[in-house]
Amino acid sequence: DAGVTQSPTHLIKTRGQQVTLRCSPKSGHDTVSWYQQALGQGPQFIFQYYEEEERQRGNFPDRFSGHQFPNYSSELNVNALLLGDSALYLCASSFFPGQHTDTQYFGPGTRLTVL
Amino acid sequence: DQQVKQNSPSLSVQEGRISILNCDYTNSMFDYFLWYKKYPAEGPTFLISISSIKDKNEDGRFTVFLNKSAKHLSLHIVPSQPGDSAVYFCAASAMDSNYQLIWGAGTKLIIKP
Repeated sequence: DAGVTQSPTHLIKTRGQQVTLRCSPKSGHDTVSWYQQALGQGPQFIFQYYEEEERQRGNFPDRFSGHQFPNYSSELNVNALLLGDSALYLCASSFFPGQHTDTQYFGPGTRLTVL
Repeated sequence: DQQVKQNSPSLSVQEGRISILNCDYTNSMFDYFLWYKKYPAEGPTFLISISSIKDKNEDGRFTVFLNKSAKHLSLHIVPSQPGDSAVYFCAASAMDSNYQLIWGAGTKLIIKP
C-alpha cells in the first residue's frame, strides 16, 4: 500500500519564476492538503482540495494555487517566487469530510530553494 | 501571533528515562490536540491525540496530558528509546476554524545511550 508520494524531492528556482509541486495521496484517500514548513517552524496550512475544488484555505496569497485531478492527485503552483517562499512543502492526504479526528498522512515533502 | 508554542527547541534525555515534551496554546477555542513525530527526510507521522473533554490519553509508552485551565499539554514517553530521537510537533484545531491544524515549531528530542 503506497503512502503519500511527492515530487520532486528538491527544487531550486530563482526569484520571479513559477514552480509546480506534485502529490499523490495514500491509496483510498480523496482529500489532499498542502502545508509550508519554513526552517525552524512548524507546518502552516496552505489549502485543502476535495472533489477537484479548493475547500479550505489558510492565510496565503493568491500566488499560491492548486489543482486536484480526478485520480485525487494534486498540484501546488506558486507564481512570482519570492526568497521567502523557500521552505519544505508538505502534502497530506485524508478522507473528506470525515471527522476532524481523522489522521492526516504526510508525504516526505519537496524542498524548494529560491535564489 | 503564535497560537501554539513549543518553547524548548531541543531536549536531551538518557535512554530508559522519561521524556517530557511541553506545548502551550493561547486559543481557548482549540478542542483537539495532536502530537506528530518527524524523522529527517520523512513527513510527520501521527503519534497520539487528545480531545478537550479529556485530561489524559495513553497509548503504550506515550501519554498526553491536557491542562485546559493552564492551556498546556505535555507528551510523556516512558521509557525513552533510541528510536524516539526525532522532532516532535504539537498541533491543535478548533471547530470554528474548520479544524485546520495549527502547529508549534517543534522540539528536537535526542535520546542518549
